[in-house]
Amino acid sequence: DSGVTQTPKHLITATGQRVTLRCSPRSGDLSVYWYQQSLDQGLQFLIQYYNGEERAKGNILERFSAQQFPDLHSELNLSSLELGDSALYFCASSVGGQGSSTFFGPGTRLTVL
Amino acid sequence: DAKTTQPPSMDCAEGRAANLPCNHSTISGNEYVYWYRQIHSQGPQYIIHGLKNNETNEMASLIITEDRKSSTLILPHATLRDTAVYYCIVRARGDSGYALNFGKGTSLLVTP
Repeated sequence: DSGVTQTPKHLITATGQRVTLRCSPRSGDLSVYWYQQSLDQGLQFLIQYYNGEERAKGNILERFSAQQFPDLHSELNLSSLELGDSALYFCASSVGGQGSSTFFGPGTRLTVL
Repeated sequence: DAKTTQPPSMDCAEGRAANLPCNHSTISGNEYVYWYRQIHSQGPQYIIHGLKNNETNEMASLIITEDRKSSTLILPHATLRDTAVYYCIVRARGDSGYALNFGKGTSLLVTP
């Protein structure tokens, strides 16, 4: 158990819909990262938040957005869903300081039908 | 981050040592070598990291060459549960707050 929790574990929805994925970082970790892993694809970094502020953006689509709340949990919002958005979405957290390692949650499996 | 090169796949017999190589010839002096692994569809798991000295923890050992251009992750007694994709990532210590760039990694298959 990494200490990072994600809900829901599985999500099935239809094209055009909007969903929200939730992540709670490890206690004390200020940085939250979101990654996407499509079938047979590598882990793609989407976005990072540090203590409530957006810190870095990766390959995140404009239809996707995220935020980090004062209690440090984070949500990833995916809208106008397409079939190609079906993937595993991982959240990770780290202290954000020097020498820290990054711990990943178990992921949310999103299926868009 | 410096670029890393890993073999796409490796096999190892259960109970034997698994030695996973990584080439990072463009590594800078302030960059660490990190290893993560991902067991099928699970979240990646941190294994170990090092700068220039060899490192060992309960999971594995990390051997970094003297010129730091390559490293080897050693799983001393591989089990079937070690079957996973192993990622070698080079990153500056001060960048630990930034995202990890995962490449293709090495798919390790441990066989009975």
